[in-house]
Amino acid sequence: SQQGEEDPQALSIQEGENATMNCSYKTSINNLQWYRQNSGRGLVHLILIRSNEREKHSGRLRVTLDTSKKSSSLLITASRAADTASYFCATEKYDYKLSFGAGTTVTVRA
Amino acid sequence: GAGVSQSPSNKVTEKGKDVELRCDPISGHTALYWYRQSLGQGLEFLIYFQGNSAPDKSGLPSDRFSAERTGGSVSTLTIQRTQQEDSAVYLCASSSGQSNNEKLFFGSGTQLSVL
Repeated sequence: SQQGEEDPQALSIQEGENATMNCSYKTSINNLQWYRQNSGRGLVHLILIRSNEREKHSGRLRVTLDTSKKSSSLLITASRAADTASYFCATEKYDYKLSFGAGTTVTVRA
Repeated sequence: GAGVSQSPSNKVTEKGKDVELRCDPISGHTALYWYRQSLGQGLEFLIYFQGNSAPDKSGLPSDRFSAERTGGSVSTLTIQRTQQEDSAVYLCASSSGQSNNEKLFFGSGTQLSVL
């Protein structure tokens, strides 16, 4: 069963705008990770945030984690056409197994 | 190798045939995962290996699915008597397995089409 649920399912933005997507989960976690997938094939790891962390940055990416609300958000600033992809959150519950959500499809228009 | 390698990249088979999908993880990675992704969906966990052992097989959909890993390296996912609902992209991933705060490195997947 899927632990994380992303919202929205799809997002279309203009190049240069920011994109925000959210992830909610059901049970306590050890960490939450975000991945990007281009063209329906291999996933690429973007960022990992541990349960005792509240915010992390990596380049144009900003991830927040609110364990009281069991939710996370991924912000992509100053989007580019190359950011067009599907984005997945994945949660790990101290059992080495990542559970993935259904993803958010982001389209960046030139 | 430099990354996770999966073969074949595409496989078309007839209903009822058996198929074998191969995964070659990053050298030295002890943890290996198989996931399945149906069209437009998220990833469905199938099985997890730590070394040659599979402590978690909970995601295998039926007894037609099996997986093994030999030498702590290459893994093979076998689907017997394939059905049309088995059509999906099968993704393999590996990690160093040293802790449970690690990122996964994914292969490009095998697109399985059952006719």
